[in-house]
Amino acid sequence: SQTIHQWPATLVQPVGSPLSLECTVEGTSNPNLYWYRQAAGRGLQLLFYSVGIGQISSEVPQNLSASRPQDRQFILSSKKLLLSDSGFYLCAWSVQHPSGGYTFGSGTRLTVV
Amino acid sequence: GQNIDQPTEMTATEGAIVQINCTYQTSGFNGLFWYQQHAGEAPTFLSYNVLDGLEEKGRFSSFLSRSKGYSYLLLKELQMKDSASYLCAVRDRDGGFKTIFGAGTRLFVKA
Repeated sequence: SQTIHQWPATLVQPVGSPLSLECTVEGTSNPNLYWYRQAAGRGLQLLFYSVGIGQISSEVPQNLSASRPQDRQFILSSKKLLLSDSGFYLCAWSVQHPSGGYTFGSGTRLTVV
Repeated sequence: GQNIDQPTEMTATEGAIVQINCTYQTSGFNGLFWYQQHAGEAPTFLSYNVLDGLEEKGRFSSFLSRSKGYSYLLLKELQMKDSASYLCAVRDRDGGFKTIFGAGTRLFVKA
């Protein structure tokens, strides 16, 4: 069966520090991968998506970046965090078909202080 | 532009039926999804509609009218554990099957 792992679960980082969140998927090949952010009491905002290794599409201009070095690995990074980067970060995967719903990782709650 | 509207909060009684509405205006349409999200947790998939009509899955049903840009999620025989946020989401027709989410409806089930 397919599983998705995301870590860490919680993170407190100072303003200006770097960030690296990692997500890996098991049990499937060539998944679509996504990074979403959810601010407190708000909806999910799509940050990046990827349809294959090295292919990254950015949805929102910001100081975050994403990379997909392997088929089932998706990394969200920042060189210098801002206070506004605080939120609940969710990685998700889907099959490459319109009917494929998302399976989300357990999320990372990031607090920038 | 992309816009998905759903009520912010709803309250219902245990054992009752509740209908959560969603209207959408998106540049492309490749299906509508409903997700359930308990506080502090990740969303989980509930349903998918791409054709007009009702899809039933146990206590949950989802309806879609593409011409009206309208969907609803129907929850029957409400249980306390159904207290959660319910997210309406529309899949784009563009590459990557990216999905746009509404802000969610927080449902409170009371005894």
